Amino acid sequence: SQTIHQWPATLVQPVGSPLSLECTVEGTSNPNLYWYRQAAGRGLQLLFYSVGIGQISSEVPQNLSASRPQDRQFILSSKKLLLSDSGFYLCAWRGRGAGELFFGEGSRLTVL
Amino acid sequence: GENVEQHPSTLSVQEGDSAVIKCTYSDSASNYFPWYKQELGKRPQLIIDIRSNVGEKKDQRIAVTLNKTAKHFSLHITETQPEDSAVYFCAASNAGKSTFGDGTTLTVKP
Repeated sequence: SQTIHQWPATLVQPVGSPLSLECTVEGTSNPNLYWYRQAAGRGLQLLFYSVGIGQISSEVPQNLSASRPQDRQFILSSKKLLLSDSGFYLCAWRGRGAGELFFGEGSRLTVL
Repeated sequence: GENVEQHPSTLSVQEGDSAVIKCTYSDSASNYFPWYKQELGKRPQLIIDIRSNVGEKKDQRIAVTLNKTAKHFSLHITETQPEDSAVYFCAASNAGKSTFGDGTTLTVKP
């Protein structure tokens, strides 16, 4: 069966520090991969999605970036965090031609 | 791009009553409409979905209706139970991209 792993689960970072969140999917190949951010009391904002290795589409202009170095690995990064980057980050995958999104357990980022 | 509006933002019902959550979308090309349930501190999980070629779908106490002409869809939960308390999100999807509503916090009082 397919599983998705996301880490770290929580992190507290100072303003201006770098960020790296990692997500891996097991049990499937060539998935569509997504990074969402959920602000407190708000919905899920799509940040990046990828349909293949090295193929990244950005939905929101910001100081974050994403990379897909391997088929089932998706990384969210920042060189310098802002206070507004705080939130709950969710990685998700979807099979080709499928509808349902499967979410990771999330990473709660607090920028101080 | 797609814009999804969801109402109400909070909903409180008595156990056994029905709950209805409504969403509207803007992009007529959207063709897949899932609903996710997120319990406190957990990941969202799909509870029901509907495709644009269907007007209604039911799964036990949960049903979803879609009006393509008006670009709105709704979630109906009947005979609500305390374990239905959670945040519910609607989404509109096209070409592999899903745009979510802001969520509805449902509280079912025993």
